[in-house]
Amino acid sequence: ETGVTQTPRHLVMGMTNKKSLKCEQHLGHNAMYWYKQSAKKPLELMFVYSLEERVENNSVPSRFSPECPNSSHLFLHLHTLQPEDSALYLCASSLHRGPSDTQYFGPGTRLTVL
Amino acid sequence: AQSVTQPDIHITVSEGASLELRCNYSYGATPYLFWYVQSPGQGLQLLLKYFSGDTLVQGIKGFEAEFKRSQSSFNLRKPSVHWSDAAEYFCAVGLDYKLSFGAGTTVTVRA
Repeated sequence: ETGVTQTPRHLVMGMTNKKSLKCEQHLGHNAMYWYKQSAKKPLELMFVYSLEERVENNSVPSRFSPECPNSSHLFLHLHTLQPEDSALYLCASSLHRGPSDTQYFGPGTRLTVL
Repeated sequence: AQSVTQPDIHITVSEGASLELRCNYSYGATPYLFWYVQSPGQGLQLLLKYFSGDTLVQGIKGFEAEFKRSQSSFNLRKPSVHWSDAAEYFCAVGLDYKLSFGAGTTVTVRA
């Protein structure tokens, strides 16, 4: 599915670094999501944006800071991460923020925190 | 607690054989049900979804799934697997304006 792109695909950072993940959707959707995928665990929903407004924050530590400047772009700003934050971070979008709306996923950013 | 369970962590199947992946959910109401597939290095791709009506739903790549209300299950099947079906499969439940995912089942296809 090439409708949702993520950059970078791989990122290695130290615990004191600041970096950002970028997501862009070309589907004309109104809702965007950040998920964390760790090995052999269910996907964890981190943030939900609907029409550029954050509508959900699932108790995510403040070292993760989302930004949605418009309905096509979503960022995840990272600072002072911990090694346990190493994971695949997936972005998704859907037409609306509803339980029946199909979510379309990007390929993810593989993050390694040293 | 509400949850989505995929009892099988890993399944190995021979090419050409049938495949069935199990999914159970524990929610009070009938939720929206999805199956996604994730190939190595890729994001999740929707295989099929069930909202209401016919309890047997057809999806892409020759997959189908059957919703059984009495068993709170939504099992995924394919009559004859191809080597390209090797991937991780996720069952998901849509409720309360979000998706909840199972932990996934990894499928290995042997020649």
